[in-house]
Amino acid sequence: EAGVAQSPRYKIIEKRQSVAFWCNPISGHATLYWYQQILGQGPKLLIQFQNNGVVDDSQLPKDRFSAERLKGVDSTLKIQPAKLEDSAVYLCASSFEGVGTEAFFGQGTRLTVV
Amino acid sequence: EDQVTQSPEALRLQEGESSSLNCSYTVSGLRGLFWYRQDPGKGPEFLFTLYSAGEEKEKERLKATLTKKESFLHITAPKPEDSATYLCAVRPTGGGNKLTFGTGTQLKVEL
Repeated sequence: EAGVAQSPRYKIIEKRQSVAFWCNPISGHATLYWYQQILGQGPKLLIQFQNNGVVDDSQLPKDRFSAERLKGVDSTLKIQPAKLEDSAVYLCASSFEGVGTEAFFGQGTRLTVV
Repeated sequence: EDQVTQSPEALRLQEGESSSLNCSYTVSGLRGLFWYRQDPGKGPEFLFTLYSAGEEKEKERLKATLTKKESFLHITAPKPEDSATYLCAVRPTGGGNKLTFGTGTQLKVEL
């Protein structure tokens, strides 16, 4: 079974530039998550989609971060403009719809803002 | 606010030396407690889900247990390949499918 695919794996940008990350979830998974993991910390949820709709974006810095999930499959996460503190690993995860289902994670995109 | 605290932050074991990792949590209601393993440069890999106090699950050298306030991940006779960061996460009731993670325990198993 194919896992969650993310690209790119690494990205280095200057502050105030923009960047976009792409995620393709496991086939059939209705729920898609974007997490931010700062070095030495656990992942923090940025946004959760159920099919095309946003379920939770309470911790998404909406002045600079945006995300979309078209046709209930692939998703993109964008940062514009980037700040130094955005340096982190951005993890995409997906799960089946339903209570208690585990989330499966991609390998992540390591972003360095200089 | 939901909180997850993991201890110790780091643990160094000799091969074969059993130990336990702790995950303490505070949630209004628990819909599931999850353990993940994360290797350097990779995303978290799912290990276990526990739903109610008293529940236990095992996989190879790992055994997870759950009480009303904490969970333990017991590692029996660890091997160097068990070296990784172990993350605990909770899914509260009424929180959709959101997971709140702890900061993890970094485990190093030496020969």
